[in-house]
Amino acid sequence: DTEVTQTPKHLVMGMTNKKSLKCEQHMGHRAMYWYKQKAKKPPELMFVYSYEKLSINESVPSRFSPECPNSSLLNLHLHALQPEDSALYLCASSQDGGRVNEQYFGPGTRLTVT
Amino acid sequence: AQSVTQPDIHITVSEGASLELRCNYSYGATPYLFWYVQSPGQGLQLLLKYFSGDTLVQGIKGFEAEFKRSQSSFNLRKPSVHWSDAAEYFCAVGAKGGYQKVTFGTGTKLQVIP
Repeated sequence: DTEVTQTPKHLVMGMTNKKSLKCEQHMGHRAMYWYKQKAKKPPELMFVYSYEKLSINESVPSRFSPECPNSSLLNLHLHALQPEDSALYLCASSQDGGRVNEQYFGPGTRLTVT
Repeated sequence: AQSVTQPDIHITVSEGASLELRCNYSYGATPYLFWYVQSPGQGLQLLLKYFSGDTLVQGIKGFEAEFKRSQSSFNLRKPSVHWSDAAEYFCAVGAKGGYQKVTFGTGTKLQVIP
């Protein structure tokens, strides 16, 4: 099973709402990633978890809060977002938590902030 | 820090014609190189990767890429394009021995005409 799943597929939220994005993989991968992708742009790295610990935070605003409850799950908690945060949020995983290797991406969550 | 350039924003080819997408990287040592494909509204799918060894790499869907150290390039090729190949293609580079961060190019949008 080489699948990374993400829920929900679409999310519309107001600027005062609190919501969460969920990502799951069952490949035994030890690194998991959150990316933000705006239209016609490449993915931008937000966070990396390695062995369930936060290893990279690309200076992401605190209104985005990641969580890795276990090695298969990754959440992104959203609070007080701005309209400019509307984007496709991609989750990815890779086998080795300690070095670069190929990443497997989920289909993404299309987020719209109103 | 590593970087990658995809000089072609948009390429149009006829179905059945050959394809070459350009990718140039900047990194002081031997990099890890990847090509990903993204269909509209979807996640990214790994086409192929280069870590070491044979500089001509075969991937999925009939794609191949050649690592040329002297030209700092990792161009993607396909001998005969199918209409289903229409998508966005991203080249990416990671630092060998480094952490899990991968840097993506700006992407090349491929249009296939009948």
